[in-house]
Amino acid sequence: SQELEQSPQSLIVQEGKNLTINCTSSKTLYGLYWYKQKYGEGLIFLMMLQKGGEEKSHEKITAKLDEKKQQSSLHITASQPSHAGIYLCGALSGNTGKLIFGQGTTLQVKP
Amino acid sequence: NAGVMQNPRHLVRRRGQEARLRCSPMKGHSHVYWYRQLPEEGLKFMVYLQKENIIDESGMPKERFSAEFPKEGPSILRIQQVVRGDSAAYFCASSGLSAADTQYFGPGTRLTVL
Repeated sequence: SQELEQSPQSLIVQEGKNLTINCTSSKTLYGLYWYKQKYGEGLIFLMMLQKGGEEKSHEKITAKLDEKKQQSSLHITASQPSHAGIYLCGALSGNTGKLIFGQGTTLQVKP
Repeated sequence: NAGVMQNPRHLVRRRGQEARLRCSPMKGHSHVYWYRQLPEEGLKFMVYLQKENIIDESGMPKERFSAEFPKEGPSILRIQQVVRGDSAAYFCASSGLSAADTQYFGPGTRLTVL
């Protein structure tokens, strides 16, 4: 079965610094999703990547899917306290819409 | 356009009672998914439903758990005879045209079993 490994598990950065979170799959990815979760709340959709080499940006967050479609990275530029939370990568597994998730990366941004 | 709605947001049950969790998908969405997030564990798929049909229940525990998505009304996740190990956050997501469409999540129901 497919597994997603996220690194690092947790991250503390100073406000204004850049950071990268990685998501590696044991199998080829056919749809890779990035979500953000604040403690005690639901998941907020950030971006979805499908094609090898694809890159998408929204505000200060950029997500990339490598050419081989087995690794994705999420990059935050000039981090702010509002970026704090748990970042989850998810991948479609099979053809029923079922998503499997990485274990999450907890981000803290110090003012 | 309202997002995915779940209620209750918090639910406390004693061991042996039943828990009913409700999920109203986004307007126009006909695909509903339930996920469970156990303390210290990741988010795990439970079941995928379309109106009146269970499409994939490969993540559902074999006993005490059931789900439905009737023609009218919200999707229901039902847990009978709850045990302490059922304490978790239960999230519902919905998607639009197909199973490959983006899933949008609700705020979750946090179940505590005493």
